[in-house]
Amino acid sequence: GAVVSQHPSWVICKSGTSVKIECRSLDFQATTMFWYRQFPKQSLMLMATSNEGSKATYEQGVEKDKFLINHASLTLSTLTVTSAHPEDSSFYICSAPADRSWDYGYTFGSGTRLTVV
Amino acid sequence: GQQVMQIPQYQHVQEGEDFTTYCNSSTTLSNIQWYKQRPGGHPVFLIQLVKSGEVKKQKRLTFQFGEAKKNSSLHITATQTTDVGTYFCAANSGYSTLTFGKGTMLLVSP
Repeated sequence: GAVVSQHPSWVICKSGTSVKIECRSLDFQATTMFWYRQFPKQSLMLMATSNEGSKATYEQGVEKDKFLINHASLTLSTLTVTSAHPEDSSFYICSAPADRSWDYGYTFGSGTRLTVV
Repeated sequence: GQQVMQIPQYQHVQEGEDFTTYCNSSTTLSNIQWYKQRPGGHPVFLIQLVKSGEVKKQKRLTFQFGEAKKNSSLHITATQTTDVGTYFCAANSGYSTLTFGKGTMLLVSP
């Protein structure tokens, strides 16, 4: 089945620093990658949609200069949280439509728990 | 964009009891997907429903899509502790974007 590998699983960083999160599709080509954030006991909120070779599309209210998304190849998409602050602490998770998504749905990475201190 | 309302937000049952979560939309959905997220984990795809009135079963789980394609339900028969987690419905909005309901957190006591 389709697998999306997400790294790191967790990261603690100091306020003001930047953190890069990577999502790789291991056995399929992810033309599109969705980035979500999830606060404790809440639903997944779509942040942005990245398409290979083009600029990401951000949801309303998401700062594109703060959450930099790069989708340089069909197997790699990255999210960089720039100048992180404590309010950016959250669970970030990527997702891509698998081949035959009507049977296999969307494949999620394992998520990155970001804590900004 | 597409919005789906999901109820209840939370349910606590005794092992062996049944459980149902409901998903509703004010507009007709082209399809609906269901995911399960274990505590500390990531969402895992369960099923997709496409046809009006469709019913699909996976062991103790029964998924239904309403005749008007505006609502859906997930029913678990005789819950087990392994069923613990949050169940999300999700609908496509736009090209391939998934919009998630708020989820129903299920807690099962042994």
